[in-house]
Formats: sequence, C-alpha cells, structure tokens
Amino acid sequence: DVKVTQSSRYLVKRTGEKVFLECVQDMDHENMFWYRQDPGLGLRLIYFSYDVKMKEKGDIPEGYSVSREKKERFSLILESASTNQTSMYLCASSPATSGVFRQPQHFGDGTRLSIL
Amino acid sequence: AQTVTQSQPEMSVQEAETVTLSCTYDTSENNYYLFWYKQPPSRQMILVIRQEAYKQQNATENRFSVNFQKAAKSFSLKISDSQLGDTAMYFCAFMKKENNDMRFGAGTRLTVKP
Repeated sequence: DVKVTQSSRYLVKRTGEKVFLECVQDMDHENMFWYRQDPGLGLRLIYFSYDVKMKEKGDIPEGYSVSREKKERFSLILESASTNQTSMYLCASSPATSGVFRQPQHFGDGTRLSIL
Repeated sequence: AQTVTQSQPEMSVQEAETVTLSCTYDTSENNYYLFWYKQPPSRQMILVIRQEAYKQQNATENRFSVNFQKAAKSFSLKISDSQLGDTAMYFCAFMKKENNDMRFGAGTRLTVKP
C-alpha cells in the first residue's frame, strides 16, 4: 500500500527559528510536492520536485526552500520562521508522467505548524 | 496559470438525499485531468473521482458522479444517497496532462445531517 509519511503531526516553533519539515515516500515516486492548507484558501503549492536535486517554485515559495537529496525524501525548510507561516503543511507524491498513466497524488497526514 | 473556483464554502444535506458541489476552472489547455478529493476530519486526502478532459462520458464511482461540461469549464460532483461518513471537506483539483502540477480549489465543507 502506498505511504507518504510526514515526520511530525504537530510542531510549535518560535519566530526566527529555522524549521525543517520532512516527508518520505516509499513508492519510488519521481514527483514530490509541498502544499500549505489554510481555511478559505484551499491548498497552495509551495514547491515541487520532479527528480533528485531538482526543484521548481510553486505559487507561494517566498520564505521557503526545499531539499531533495534522495528520491524518497523531500524536505521543506523555513529559513526564518514567521507567524504568517502558521499553517497546515501537506506533502504529496506521484509517479513520473512519461509512459505511464498519470496517477493523482498521494498525500501524507499533514503537519500542523504553529509559529509563536 | 490555471485557477480552480469552488463557490460554495459550506453546504449541508440530509442523510439519504442528493447533493451537488460545484467547481469551475480556467485554463487554456486542451488536455488535462480533473479530480475531486475528500478530506475527512482525520485530515488525510482521499481521491473520490477523476475525469480525463478528452473523455466526454462523465465519470462515476458508486454514489459519486460528475457533470463535466468542458465548454463551460465546469466540473460538479454529485453525491447520491448521502451518508454520515460523507461529511468532509471536498476539494476540486486540476492537473495539466504533461506534468503532475496540480491546482486546488478552496474547498467546500459538506455536512451530512442525520
């Protein structure tokens, strides 16, 4: 069965801290994504990655960076956390598009991050 | 950029009745996919149904069906014989054919009342 695991369900950090959110998938998927979910705004794409060491900006990349050193792991980094980054963060993965039916993304359980 | 609009922030329906959730999208693409996701209170996203734009036939999955109107760029979800377990946030999503970059609507919170 497919599995996307986010390291923390709840996280509390302070303004100015460097925060790491980890996501691991066990499906050998090429594509991985980070979204944030806010009431009334739905899901907004922060960054995505199509391959190891590759990354693309989504709709709202400001204040965030990502790291994809291994295929199964995609990390979201808040360089200097601010209160407006308090949100639910969702990681997702999907297989590559070429030559295969494009399956929708598989999601993790989410990390609720509070910045104080 | 593609945008997805869900104009109903909240809806409610009586158990066993039928409810329709609306979704419109804006794109210049001709080949794409549309999805409805469900997010129950436990928070993990679950795929409900998907539609390929080149298929004219509306997708159906048990009690869930869609009304896909490509010219109008409309993709509504109909839930028949609503059950208490259908209570959730429902998100409409759009994905271009050539990549997996998915765009979501703001969501509709559906409550099924006993």
